[in-house]
Amino acid sequence: SQKIEQNSEALNIQEGKTATLTCNYTNYSPAYLQWYRQDPGRGPVFLLLIRENEKEKRKERLKVTFDTTLKQSLFHITASQPADSATYLCALDPVDSNYQLIWGAGTKLIIKP
Amino acid sequence: KAGVTQTPRYLIKTRGQQVTLSCSPISGHRSVSWYQQTPGQGLQFLFEYFSETQRNKGNFPGRFSGRQFSNSRSEMNVSTLELGDSALYLCASSLGEYNEQFFGPGTRLTVL
Repeated sequence: SQKIEQNSEALNIQEGKTATLTCNYTNYSPAYLQWYRQDPGRGPVFLLLIRENEKEKRKERLKVTFDTTLKQSLFHITASQPADSATYLCALDPVDSNYQLIWGAGTKLIIKP
Repeated sequence: KAGVTQTPRYLIKTRGQQVTLSCSPISGHRSVSWYQQTPGQGLQFLFEYFSETQRNKGNFPGRFSGRQFSNSRSEMNVSTLELGDSALYLCASSLGEYNEQFFGPGTRLTVL
């Protein structure tokens, strides 16, 4: 079956370290993949988009990689801060999605001071 | 530019009732998507509208319906509410070809 997976367990990281979140997918040929941040009780906020022909994308302390061979995207937050604590969602747009994004369940990130 | 707005923010209904939720997209955005989010299921796609036409629909029963108006504002309706419909309902609007979503704050629906 088609699915997109993120670590269901919370990720605890010490402040200042790099946090790395994983998004794996099967049976899709994504045109691109997106990462969002969601705080409790609020809607997700778009962070980064990476296309299938891009290996890496950066924005300030954020970096996303996309490996279509491994069917995996990694999301990195360098010099992590307690304010980075949130749930991070990945979403992919399959080539034949007909305008529907496929969402992962999200990984809760906790940055400890 | 104002963000996506949703009304109401909180709603309490009883089983069997119906509910209508409203979403106003970012000005200029013609695509509006609706999602249901629950702790166990994550974000589940309900439907997407573009220029008043439903372009895609998720795997939800016919009790869930929606529409979009000429000004791109959208409503979704849930009839014959069930306890399992309790969730955060999120609306997102989109402009670009890469389908980047801008979400509203959501409507928290509680069915008693």
